[in-house]
Amino acid sequence: GAVVSQHPSRVICKSGTSVKIECRSLDFQATTMFWYRQFPKQSLMLMATSNEGSKATYEQGVEKDKFLINHASLTLSTLTVTSAHPEDSSFYICSAREVPNGNQPQHFGDGTRLSIL
Amino acid sequence: DQQVKQNSPSLSVQEGRISILNCDYTNSMFDYFLWYKKYPAEGPTFLISISSIKDKNEDGRFTVFLNKSAKHLSLHIVPSQPGDSAVYFCAASDETGNTPLVFGKGTRLSVIA
Repeated sequence: GAVVSQHPSRVICKSGTSVKIECRSLDFQATTMFWYRQFPKQSLMLMATSNEGSKATYEQGVEKDKFLINHASLTLSTLTVTSAHPEDSSFYICSAREVPNGNQPQHFGDGTRLSIL
Repeated sequence: DQQVKQNSPSLSVQEGRISILNCDYTNSMFDYFLWYKKYPAEGPTFLISISSIKDKNEDGRFTVFLNKSAKHLSLHIVPSQPGDSAVYFCAASDETGNTPLVFGKGTRLSVIA
């Protein structure tokens, strides 16, 4: 079945560091990938939609300059949290849908736990 | 404004019994619905989906029912097993699949042996 790989699974770093998270679709192509953030005991909140070969679409309230998204190929999207601060600590999850999608479900990576000290 | 609502944050069921997880939605443009299962520190795993042209979809122990007029869907798990203990998210999108999924807040299911 479709597999989405997300790396790294856990990051602990100092305030002010930039962190890059990779999301790869391993056995299918995805023109669109999605980045979510989950706070404890909360639902998955969509941050942005990553489009291959074009700019990402950000949800209201998400800072574009803070969360840089690059979708350079049909199998890879990256999220860079720039100059991370403790309030950016969260669980970040990506998802991808096969192309052509129709009623294909989104498949999720295992998430990245980001802890900023 | 929550477009997808899971009003029960938690549910406990005895092993072997039926688990029923409920989900309501408000956006009439939604016509594709999914259930995901999530363990701590892992990404959600797709379980089952249903299109609005159907009112029931079954896959093994899992059945999803859709009542479009009531904007309500439910996931039935029977028989429930301890390994089913997890958080279950209901999600919705339009039929094209091109719009992002909208998730409910999840229901934590505990299956007691």
